[in-house]
Amino acid sequence: SQTIHQWPVTLVQPVGSPLSLECTVEGTSNPNLYWYRQAAGRGLQLLFYSVGIGQISSEVPQNLSASRPQDRQFILSSKKLLLSDSGFYLCAWRGDRAGTQYFGPGTRLLVL
Amino acid sequence: AQSVTQLGSHVSVSEGALVLLRCNYSSSVPPYLFWYVQYPNQGLQLLLKYTTGATLVKGINGFEAEFKKSETSFHLTKPSAHMSDAAEYFCAVSDLRSGGYQKVTFGTGTKLQVIP
Repeated sequence: SQTIHQWPVTLVQPVGSPLSLECTVEGTSNPNLYWYRQAAGRGLQLLFYSVGIGQISSEVPQNLSASRPQDRQFILSSKKLLLSDSGFYLCAWRGDRAGTQYFGPGTRLLVL
Repeated sequence: AQSVTQLGSHVSVSEGALVLLRCNYSSSVPPYLFWYVQYPNQGLQLLLKYTTGATLVKGINGFEAEFKKSETSFHLTKPSAHMSDAAEYFCAVSDLRSGGYQKVTFGTGTKLQVIP
């Protein structure tokens, strides 16, 4: 069966510091992968998606970037965090043709 | 462009009462529709989905939803609320775009409170 992992679980970082969040998927090959951010009371915002290694598309311009160095690894990064980057970050993979999203457990990021 | 509207950011029901969470969608093509549940500090979990065929869809934990094309709705129901149903619920719509990329648009969520 497929599983999706995210780490760290929780992160507290100062403004201006770098960021690296990791997502890995097991039990499937060449998955479509997604990064979402969830801010309080604002639902889910799609940040990046990837259909394959090295293929990244951004949905909204922002202080973040993403990379896919391996088939089942998706990384979210920032060179300098902003206060507004605080939130709950969710990684997901597409499970079927309908686009069903299967989510990881999430990373809570607090920027101080 | 597709969109989802969830009516009511907070819904309270008594334990044992009917749960009704409303979702209306907009899509230029036949949609795929989803309901997800999220417990505090966890990822989203799929409750149920509509792709094609039967318009009444049954999901986990006793939930079901009915796709009504004429009303562009996909409301979530459960006959009898349980304390464990207290969570946030998200409606979502997707369509297949060129290149095989699937964009899923989520509603802003409805927090369900169950009162003992």
